[in-house]
Amino acid sequence: GQNIDQPTEMTATEGAIVQINCTYQTSGFNGLFWYQQHAGEAPTFLSYNVLDGLEEKGRFSSFLSRSKGYSYLLLKELQMKDSASYLCAVRDSNYQLIWGAGTKLIIKP
Amino acid sequence: IAGITQAPTSQILAAGRRMTLRCTQDMRHNAMYWYRQDLGLGLRLIHYSNTAGTTGKGEVPDGYSVSRANTDDFPLTLASAVPSQTSVYFCASSEGLAADTQYFGPGTRLTVL
Repeated sequence: GQNIDQPTEMTATEGAIVQINCTYQTSGFNGLFWYQQHAGEAPTFLSYNVLDGLEEKGRFSSFLSRSKGYSYLLLKELQMKDSASYLCAVRDSNYQLIWGAGTKLIIKP
Repeated sequence: IAGITQAPTSQILAAGRRMTLRCTQDMRHNAMYWYRQDLGLGLRLIHYSNTAGTTGKGEVPDGYSVSRANTDDFPLTLASAVPSQTSVYFCASSEGLAADTQYFGPGTRLTVL
């Protein structure tokens, strides 16, 4: 079966750095996505990795290791508005996205 | 530019009733998708469309049907609603199935009693 695992909940302090991990087992691999979802809202795109390595976009970075079936999302200089759920998704061999259940990130002052 | 719109925003429906959730995009994207999101579970793909005139089944298609008569619209129909279809439904679109971004609509919260 196909499986995406990520922690259910994490807590971090404003101004700090947090790393959200995602491991996957899927039928094929055609890219890994990270989305942010605030409560009651739609998911919004953060990053896309298809090759191994680190992709940096401002305060957010995403890393991929295809051989290990592993990715992480790194958030720097945390702000209160970063309190949200972070969704990891892998595009499989049928070009369908398989989604993790999401990591709820709580930012404390 | 509106992006993707969905209607209704929320709906309470009696079991056994027929319901169509509407989705319209103005980005001229070829691919469109319907997902459902349930507490504690990841988004699950119901149906998708690669281009106007074609549709495909996702992970949880039973009890749902879709049509894609044109590029912009992708309605989702529940022929006879059941309580297990209570969920938040998101429509999404992308330039193609291999695109690096899917854009999501605001969602429809559906309760089936």
